[in-house]
Amino acid sequence: DAGVIQSPRHEVTEMGQEVTLRCKPISGHDYLFWYRQTMMRGLELLIYFNNNVPIDDSGMPEDRFSAKMPNASFSTLKIQPSEPRDSAVYFCASSGWTGGPKFYGYTFGSGTRLTVV
Amino acid sequence: GDSVTQMEGPVTLSEEAFLTINCTYTATGYPSLFWYVQYPGEGLQLLLKATKADDKGSNKGFEATYRKETTSFHLEKGSVQVSDSAVYFCALKIPPKLVFGQGTRLTINP
Repeated sequence: DAGVIQSPRHEVTEMGQEVTLRCKPISGHDYLFWYRQTMMRGLELLIYFNNNVPIDDSGMPEDRFSAKMPNASFSTLKIQPSEPRDSAVYFCASSGWTGGPKFYGYTFGSGTRLTVV
Repeated sequence: GDSVTQMEGPVTLSEEAFLTINCTYTATGYPSLFWYVQYPGEGLQLLLKATKADDKGSNKGFEATYRKETTSFHLEKGSVQVSDSAVYFCALKIPPKLVFGQGTRLTINP
């Protein structure tokens, strides 16, 4: 398995533009998580899905942020309009039963570094 | 609420020094505990885990013991290498979520 795949790796955009981040989870994993990492706030959980259904979006900072998971192999995180304070690294992670009956594995993608200028 | 507190960084050591990164947690019940490592430009990778009290997780020379009485899960390594330079995150699992500490940046000088 290629792991959790995120695209793009880097994104530079102007303030006010729409930004879409993409994630392909590991096949067979039934949970998908979006995290944001900044120096000031560390790793924050934004939203997570179970079987493609959003379960908890309490970490989404504002209405400008939205996330979808149209099927088991694809999710997007959209920011519209983007602002400089959205600059961060955004990680996607998926989890499911791996490596034996009692361990529910958690795998992170390499992240998307977003810069809003 | 459930939370993880990590020793503040950054931490700078010389090669072959002994490493300890402190981690304490607050949680109801007995969560599973984890250490993740993030190398520059990469995502987080699982370093080790412990699922119950007194369990010791170990990997790549790193160890951590789940101490229920002190609600701690300190990371240790007897002799660090330059290649251990990274950011280390302590985390607890409140299914299905992981709650992370702030991270500790470790730099090892040759």
